[in-house]
Amino acid sequence: EVQLQQSGAELVKPGASVKLSCKTSGYTFSNYYMSWLKQMPGQNIEWIGNIYGGNGGTGYNQKFKGKATLTVDKSSSTAYMDLSSLTSEDSAVYFCAKIFFNYGSYWYFDFWGPGTMVTVSS
Amino acid sequence: DVVLTQTPSTLSATIGQSVSISCRSSQSLLDSAGNTYLYWYLQRPGQSPQLLIYLVSNLGSGVPNRFSGSGSGTDFTLKISGVEAEDLGVYYCMQATHAPYTFGAGTKLELK
Repeated sequence: EVQLQQSGAELVKPGASVKLSCKTSGYTFSNYYMSWLKQMPGQNIEWIGNIYGGNGGTGYNQKFKGKATLTVDKSSSTAYMDLSSLTSEDSAVYFCAKIFFNYGSYWYFDFWGPGTMVTVSS
Repeated sequence: DVVLTQTPSTLSATIGQSVSISCRSSQSLLDSAGNTYLYWYLQRPGQSPQLLIYLVSNLGSGVPNRFSGSGSGTDFTLKISGVEAEDLGVYYCMQATHAPYTFGAGTKLELK
C-alpha cells in the first residue's frame, strides 16, 4: 500500500526557514517523481515543483524559485522541501503528491500526503 | 500562466441529481503531440485532493462511473450523473499542458 507521511505542523517566525518532509512507503521511490503543492486557507492550489526520486532532478514553478528547494534522500525514501525567508504569504498547507507516469503519454498525481500546515507568525 | 476559470463557484444539489461543472482555459490545452492534459480532482472536507479524471475524460482508478469528463481545446466539463453524499467537497480542474501547472479556483458541491 502506497503511503506518503508528511511531517507535523510548523509555527515559524517571519524571516526563518523550515524543512518539510514526505516519507514514502509501498513503492519504489527512485522510480517516480514527487510534486509539492501549496494550498492557502480556503484558496486555490498552486504547484511548486517536481523532483525525481532516482537522481533528484528538479523542475520548479518560476514563482517558487528562490523560495522552495526540493531534495530527496533515496536511502530513506523521503522527499524534502525547504522554504526560506518565510512571510505571512507562506502560511499554507503544503502537500506532497506522487506522480504516476505512463510512458505512453500521460501522468497524474495518484497519491497525496495529508499535508503539513505551516504558520508564519511572530 | 494559464488561467482556469471554473463555474459555478458553488453548486447546491440533492442526492440523485445530475450536475455539471465547467472549466474554461485561457489557452488551448491541446499540445503538439495531440494530448490534452486536463484533470479533475475532488477534495473532500479535511482531506487531500484525489484524482477523478485525467486527459479530459479518463476515469481514475476506482472512480465511480457516475463521473464523466468531456471537452476540448479551452472548454471542459465534469458531470456527475446522480450525486451521492460522498461526492460533497470542492472540485478542481487542473492543466499540465503548459508550465507551470495550474488549478482552477474550485467548485464547492454542497447539499441543497
